Amino acid sequence: QKEVEQNSGPLSVPEGAIASLNCTYSDRGSQSFFWYRQYSGKSPELIMFIYSNGDKEDGRFTAQLNKASQYVSLLIRDSQPSDSATYLCAVNENQGGKLIFGQGTELSVKP
Amino acid sequence: SQTIHQWPATLVQPVGSPLSLECTVEGTSNPNLYWYRQAAGRGLQLLFYSVGIGQISSEVPQNLSASRPQDRQFILSSKKLLLSDSGFYLCASPVGGYTFGSGTRLTVV
Repeated sequence: QKEVEQNSGPLSVPEGAIASLNCTYSDRGSQSFFWYRQYSGKSPELIMFIYSNGDKEDGRFTAQLNKASQYVSLLIRDSQPSDSATYLCAVNENQGGKLIFGQGTELSVKP
Repeated sequence: SQTIHQWPATLVQPVGSPLSLECTVEGTSNPNLYWYRQAAGRGLQLLFYSVGIGQISSEVPQNLSASRPQDRQFILSSKKLLLSDSGFYLCASPVGGYTFGSGTRLTVV
């Protein structure tokens, strides 16, 4: 059974701080790694995806991938109350293939 | 760029009634398409995926079925709904980084 694990939270950070969200996966054959943000009652929005080991930055967001440790993380710099949402990690084996999701981490950014 | 349309946005159906949810995709041709379900407070569970017209793979045995009558159309159906079919149904495509439609929230009463 291929699994993706996330801490359910809630993770609470003060406004302006760095939020760190973590995800581990069981399948060493996984090739693509995705982070989504989901507001209550809405569909997931793609934040970013990463294929290669190391860091990938997009604005206030940085994804970090370590395939040897089967670990992917998302850092949110200068966290804002509007970042309060559930963050979903997902992995797939091949480009265009099905995604396997973690349960999501609830993030709360306090003003 | 790709756009995924889903309707209806919300649906309340009695137990035992039929179901038909539609997903259409614009801006791409012959995409892989996926149906996911998210139960309240839970993660996303893959239900069906399709790599082309008439090609459907089922991930989880259940009360639901899927069809792909056209290149850009993916339909989720049931002949008789169960209470356990309640949830948030999402259509997705890997084009453009794997995006989702706006979803249909189904409540079976």
